[in-house]
Amino acid sequence: TQLLEQSPQFLSIQEGENLTVYCNSSSVFSSLQWYRQEPGEGPVLLVTVVTGGEVKKLKRLTFQFGDARKDSSLHITAAQPGDTGLYLCAGGGNTGNQFYFGTGTSLTVIP
Amino acid sequence: DAGVIQSPRHEVTEMGQEVTLRCKPISGHNSLFWYRQTMMRGLELLIYFNNNVPIDDSGMPEDRFSAKMPNASFSTLKIQPSEPRDSAVYFCASSRLAGGPYEQYFGPGTRLTVT
Repeated sequence: TQLLEQSPQFLSIQEGENLTVYCNSSSVFSSLQWYRQEPGEGPVLLVTVVTGGEVKKLKRLTFQFGDARKDSSLHITAAQPGDTGLYLCAGGGNTGNQFYFGTGTSLTVIP
Repeated sequence: DAGVIQSPRHEVTEMGQEVTLRCKPISGHNSLFWYRQTMMRGLELLIYFNNNVPIDDSGMPEDRFSAKMPNASFSTLKIQPSEPRDSAVYFCASSRLAGGPYEQYFGPGTRLTVT
């Protein structure tokens, strides 16, 4: 199992603030995905990054894959209550099509 | 298109009973994954299938757990006998197998409580 540690584990911020969530591992991944999960539902894919150093933007969300493909970050600008949820990173295996999920970051945005 | 369908959504059973969870993947997807989510251990991959064939079952906790995929549109995860520590939310996800990177689509989950 390839371990992915996310930090922080919990985050509570005011609406309008910026935040960054980190996903770190000692393993190299073929790709890195970020998911958001809301209570009572399954995770929903937000983005996939494939190339080391790659940056993708999705509205107020910016995702970066580390140069060595061992880590990733998710930055949210001007957080809104609708951003509340559990954010999960997932690293793609170098053999096979399975993904290894991180420990998760629970985000609460207070109006 | 319908998403991944799981049943039941909630299951409460007594220790020692057999539990069967069901999953219908998205039509056209040929990879299927079973996960278990708990507060303590997060989201764990239990087993996955490609083209109905089990590829990696190293995440299955013990022999009490078994999974089958008799055809491309149906899979089951069985626990026999169930124990209180099996209480968790079980997710099924499916994806296409062609090329990559692979985008997984998750079902709504089955919340299992074993008393």
